[in-house]
Amino acid sequence: GAVVSQHPSRVICKSGTSVKIECRSLDFQATTMFWYRQFPKQSLMLMATSNEGSKATYEQGVEKDKFLINHASLTLSTLTVTSAHPEDSSFYICSARDLGGSTYEQYFGPGTRLTVT
Amino acid sequence: AQTVTQSQPEMSVQEAETVTLSCTYDTSESDYYLFWYKQPPSRQMILVIRQEAYKQQNATENRFSVNFQKAAKSFSLKISDSQLGDAAMYFCAYRSANFGNEKLTFGTGTRLTIIP
Repeated sequence: GAVVSQHPSRVICKSGTSVKIECRSLDFQATTMFWYRQFPKQSLMLMATSNEGSKATYEQGVEKDKFLINHASLTLSTLTVTSAHPEDSSFYICSARDLGGSTYEQYFGPGTRLTVT
Repeated sequence: AQTVTQSQPEMSVQEAETVTLSCTYDTSESDYYLFWYKQPPSRQMILVIRQEAYKQQNATENRFSVNFQKAAKSFSLKISDSQLGDAAMYFCAYRSANFGNEKLTFGTGTRLTIIP
């Protein structure tokens, strides 16, 4: 089946630094990837939609200058949290749509836990 | 904008029994997809079942089935013969069928506990 990986699985960074999270589709091509944020015991909130070769579309209230998204290839999207602060600590999940698959299937990565100290 | 509501924050069921998780949604669209996802303690999202709105027949996947009531905008999940491995958070989700609008809108989730 389709597999999506995320790296790193856990990261701790100091306040004010930047951290990059990678999302890769391992066995399929993904023109569209999605980035979600999940706070403890809460639901997934879509942050942005990442399209290969074009600018990401951010949801209302998400700071595009803080959460930089790059989708440079059909198998890789990155989320960079710039000038991280403790309130950015969260669980970040990506998903990817299979270019050659059904119109409705999204495959989720295992998530990245970010802790900002 | 579409919204998804799960009114049961927590549910519990005895092992081998049947449990139903509720979900309602609001949309002005006529064609869309509905999903139930499972999120175990590992946090990996797992697709449980999906339903296309244009299909009247309720989707079924082994022990999992849905009751899709389009007019009522209701989409409940029934788990039969509950097993310990079914313990997880369950999220109901909506997706438009419009090309280019593929984002998922999730409900707030229901935490399911299986009692041995």
